[in-house]
Amino acid sequence: DADVTQTPRNRITKTGKRIMLECSQTKGHDRMYWYRQDPGLGLRLIYYSFDVKDINKGEISDGYSVSRQAQAKFSLSLESAIPNQTALYFCATSDWGQAPNNEQFFGPGTRLTVL
Amino acid sequence: LAKTTQPISMDSYEGQEVNITCSHNNIATNDYITWYQQFPSQGPRFIIQGYKTKVTNEVASLFIPADRKSSTLSLPRVSLSDTAVYYCLEGTNAGKSTFGDGTTLTVKP
Repeated sequence: DADVTQTPRNRITKTGKRIMLECSQTKGHDRMYWYRQDPGLGLRLIYYSFDVKDINKGEISDGYSVSRQAQAKFSLSLESAIPNQTALYFCATSDWGQAPNNEQFFGPGTRLTVL
Repeated sequence: LAKTTQPISMDSYEGQEVNITCSHNNIATNDYITWYQQFPSQGPRFIIQGYKTKVTNEVASLFIPADRKSSTLSLPRVSLSDTAVYYCLEGTNAGKSTFGDGTTLTVKP
């Protein structure tokens, strides 16, 4: 079984709809991250969480919100989806204090299309 | 968030050694350099990490000179399956690092 799972893997929605992307991990890591990737570009950090009570904005948090329901679960919400949020979304986890330094483990990604 | 500079793309042939450079002129004292590999429609995967001098593992080597303003990822004897995007990140254990646009490596037969 995969250590980091994301649901759904693919989603097509319409402008204005609320969407939630979910991430679960079995690695026991405290840190979790959400990234988006646009075609031909690198990953951009949306939000990150270092533990259940800690949520931080990344580079591009506008239009997104997150919830850290438990150590193992980190959800990303688009309150009112818009077409330029069409992208590939990745969740990642890492473990503080373990070598290599902050190595991140990524999920398989969610491909979101907003029409 | 600290950002690095890499070549946009590189071509190579099977069996050759590939060296991908990364510039990080304003690297902070506590920052490490980490490289990831990404295949299409997959999440990035950790390759190697270093702080200074040379680090080697089973898949790559990483050389960071004394001034730490740049680093070089070396892939020995690449194969077609090494065709991917390679990202160089600088960051600390605080997790505040960012992915640039990476270097697209194309290995040709």
